[in-house]
Amino acid sequence: KNQVEQSPQSLIILEGKNCTLQCNYTVSPFSNLRWYKQDTGRGPVSLTIMTFSENTKSNGRYTATLDADTKQSSLHITASQLSDSASYICVVRPMNTGFQKLVFGTGTRLLVSP
Amino acid sequence: DADVTQTPRNRITKTGKRIMLECSQTKGHDRMYWYRQDPGLGLRLIYYSFDVKDINKGEISDGYSVSRQAQAKFSLSLESAIPNQTALYFCATSGPGGDSYNEQFFGPGTRLTVL
Repeated sequence: KNQVEQSPQSLIILEGKNCTLQCNYTVSPFSNLRWYKQDTGRGPVSLTIMTFSENTKSNGRYTATLDADTKQSSLHITASQLSDSASYICVVRPMNTGFQKLVFGTGTRLLVSP
Repeated sequence: DADVTQTPRNRITKTGKRIMLECSQTKGHDRMYWYRQDPGLGLRLIYYSFDVKDINKGEISDGYSVSRQAQAKFSLSLESAIPNQTALYFCATSGPGGDSYNEQFFGPGTRLTVL
């Protein structure tokens, strides 16, 4: 069964510190992997997308890495800000399925404390 | 931005009532989706529509129905609400283009509570 597992479930860090969120998936083969940010009371918004051939992708202070061999991805946040407080969701699109088919992780809830 | 809007944003209803959640988009996308989000679970697909004449069940369609009134409007109905349908509901859209990079854009969500 295609699954996406994220860790930790929740995390509290001090403003200015770095953190890394983990995503392990069993989806195989896969087309791409996205990280979404979901602010409280808002819908998810895409941060990065990576295909199986990419190892790293940056978007400002967010850097995603992908190891297709171990089926792991991470999202690294540098110099955290209060506005980074949100849930971060890892989403994998299986290959050879309809474009509607996405496998969502349960998310990591990040709280950045002043 | 208000590219994908949902109404209402919050709704409390009683068991057995019929409820309609509405979604409108100004992105000009043909593809629209309804998801529900529960604590501790990932988003799950309820229904999706490729265009006005094409509607498909997702993984958890039982107890729900949809209507695609126009390209820009996609409504989700709970014919007879039950407490385990209490959840956060999201509408999403996606445009044309290759499957690999087809991003879904989400609305702000509707928080539904069934008592």
